[in-house]
Amino acid sequence: QQQVKQSPQSLIVQKGGISIINCAYENTAFDYFPWYQQFPGKGPALLIAIRPDVSEKKEGRFTISFNKSAKQFSLHIMDSQPGDSATYFCAASRGNQFYFGTGTSLTVIP
Amino acid sequence: SAVISQKPSRDICQRGTSLTIQCQVDSQVTMMFWYRQQPGQSLTLIATANQGSEATYESGFVIDKFPISRPNLTFSTLTVSNMSPEDSSIYLCSVAKQGNTEAFFGQGTRLTVV
Repeated sequence: QQQVKQSPQSLIVQKGGISIINCAYENTAFDYFPWYQQFPGKGPALLIAIRPDVSEKKEGRFTISFNKSAKQFSLHIMDSQPGDSATYFCAASRGNQFYFGTGTSLTVIP
Repeated sequence: SAVISQKPSRDICQRGTSLTIQCQVDSQVTMMFWYRQQPGQSLTLIATANQGSEATYESGFVIDKFPISRPNLTFSTLTVSNMSPEDSSIYLCSVAKQGNTEAFFGQGTRLTVV
């Protein structure tokens, strides 16, 4: 059973546009929700993370929106750039046990 | 943060052989994990490498196929044994520090079995 469901599988956005990736989870015991960015040939790198006691977290062009009642969270990339083209994974964790979404391949076209 | 060095970065191996992947961390860490990432798919946890004791394997993964060593707090190895083409994948080492929920990843080992 997939603990974390992620959509869309792939996304194409024009430069300057907003990229939105959505995730949903079932286990209310999760207490940490990170997003990872992975470039080809590299391991995933932490991009931004949120805890369930806040509804939004913003770091530069990246924002996580968190809806605890709906058990959903999303990543918004504002002013998307070609350099943002990568695969993005959401995750949910409790302690050191992580569950990852299936990934979203983002392509930002100039 | 933690800097993770994973070797080899890629390899092409013959069916029936074994490959050992090394993971070296620049500082002592409490938890070390091994993941598999199949093409176009998510990360699947293989096992948690425990220092001084046997690794804890997830459902679907067994010690005979994926033996793991963790001799100290900065180093671990994963062996993929008796390989078949279905083992072709990216294998990732991940670490977490005590009291820190963030997980850090190595750059991965891209394994192709022919």
